[in-house]
Amino acid sequence: NAGVTQTPKFQVLKTGQSMTLQCAQDMNHEYMSWYRQDPGMGLRLIHYSVGAGITDQGEVPNGYNVSRSTTEDFPLRLLSAAPSQTSVYFCASSSPRLVRYEQYFGPGTRLTVT
Amino acid sequence: AQSVSQHNHHVILSEAASLELGCNYSYGGTVNLFWYVQYPGQHLQLLLKYFSGDPLVKGIKGFEAEFIKSKFSFNLRKPSVQWSDTAEYFCAVKTGANNLFFGTGTRLTVIP
Repeated sequence: NAGVTQTPKFQVLKTGQSMTLQCAQDMNHEYMSWYRQDPGMGLRLIHYSVGAGITDQGEVPNGYNVSRSTTEDFPLRLLSAAPSQTSVYFCASSSPRLVRYEQYFGPGTRLTVT
Repeated sequence: AQSVSQHNHHVILSEAASLELGCNYSYGGTVNLFWYVQYPGQHLQLLLKYFSGDPLVKGIKGFEAEFIKSKFSFNLRKPSVQWSDTAEYFCAVKTGANNLFFGTGTRLTVIP
C-alpha cells in the first residue's frame, strides 16, 4: 500500500490564483481530513469527510472547498489564494474499522502564496 | 470548545538527559489521547496513544506517556534522549467525532 499520498509537494501561487491540492489513499478508509500546519499554531482542521459524498467544516474552513466523490480521493481547493494561506497542508485518513481510529498522515504540501 | 495546550515551545537537552513534555487538554467527556512526532522534513508519525485501561502507555523508541484524568494531562516522557529524538512533538486529543485537536507542538533539540 502507498498509504496517503499528496501532490504536489511544493507549490508557489500568486494572490488570487486558484489551485487544487490532491490527496489519495489506497487503504479504503472512510474518513479523510485536511489540516494546515503553521508555526506556533500546531495543526488545525480545515475540512473533513466521513465517506464519499459527505463533507463537513473543521476549525478553519474559510477560503477552502472540498469534495469527496470517491472513497480514495479528497482534493482541497483554494479558489482565490491569499498570503494567509501560506502553510504546510497535511491530508489524513482513518477508519472506524481500525483499532482505535488511528489517523494516517500524508507527507504534506508546502504552499507559498505571494 | 476543546483545546490542547503544550506549554513547552522549545526544549533543548543534552544526550542522555531525561525528557518530559507537558500536554493538557480541556474537554470533560471521554477522550482518546495521542502523541505524534514529526522529524525534520518528514510527516507526522504516531508515537503512542491512550484509549482506556492502564494510564501509563508505552510507545515506540522508548517513549511513554501517563494519562492523569484529574489533571486533564497526558505528559510525554523518555528517561534518556538521543540525538535522533530531535523533532517536533504534538499532543492531540480526539473527542466524540473522528477529528483530532492538536496542540501547538514542542520542538525538541538534543545536543550530542
